[in-house]
Amino acid sequence: DIQMTQSPSSLSASVGDRVTITCQASQDISNYLNWYQEKPGKAPNLLIYGASSLQTGVPSRFSGGGSGTHFTLTITSLQPEDIATYYCQQYSLLPLTFGGGTKVEI
Amino acid sequence: QVQLQESGPGLVKPSQTLSLTCTVSGASITAFNYYWGWIRQPAGKGLEWIGRVDITGTTDYAPSLRDRVSISLDMSKNHFSLNLRSVTASDTAVYYCVREVAGTRFDPWGRGTLVTVSS
Repeated sequence: DIQMTQSPSSLSASVGDRVTITCQASQDISNYLNWYQEKPGKAPNLLIYGASSLQTGVPSRFSGGGSGTHFTLTITSLQPEDIATYYCQQYSLLPLTFGGGTKVEI
Repeated sequence: QVQLQESGPGLVKPSQTLSLTCTVSGASITAFNYYWGWIRQPAGKGLEWIGRVDITGTTDYAPSLRDRVSISLDMSKNHFSLNLRSVTASDTAVYYCVREVAGTRFDPWGRGTLVTVSS
């Protein structure tokens, strides 16, 4: 299985801060990576697919980058509604696997 | 707008079979280029992919669950189902049904349903 390692596991930032979350794959997955946002009590929501493509309706302050084994999710100006846990997920090989999550707090 | 809704018992006894259904609205499960799948999340933990099925009935399962799980489509009712046999307390989780677009991304997700395994 491809292991996905996220860091940090949690972070605290202020409104307006630039926040970056990292996801490392245990082997080359090209750009076959997605990012999801999970708010408390709600289902995860797709933010970024194909490592850098913004899902329709997602604010432009979210962006994704990277390829191969190293990926990032960046929030350019953190907003109160961005409080959530963020997960990366690879679709290069079965079984599909997720990172452990990064909890973002203000 | 495509919507998915899970349904099924919230409490299952150990050693029994967990059975859930996902009803799809706003789209047909017979459409090509989609998979229909299940993901679970134990309380306070991360997301675990369970498996998926496509329109041809082809299934893929997580290796850790393969000997206990089955996923199937019911085209007449536009829904798909999960069966997980011989459950234990470690199968307690929120179960989500998802549409997987062209084998690339999960969108949308159902709201999730909590299933507790306990006697």
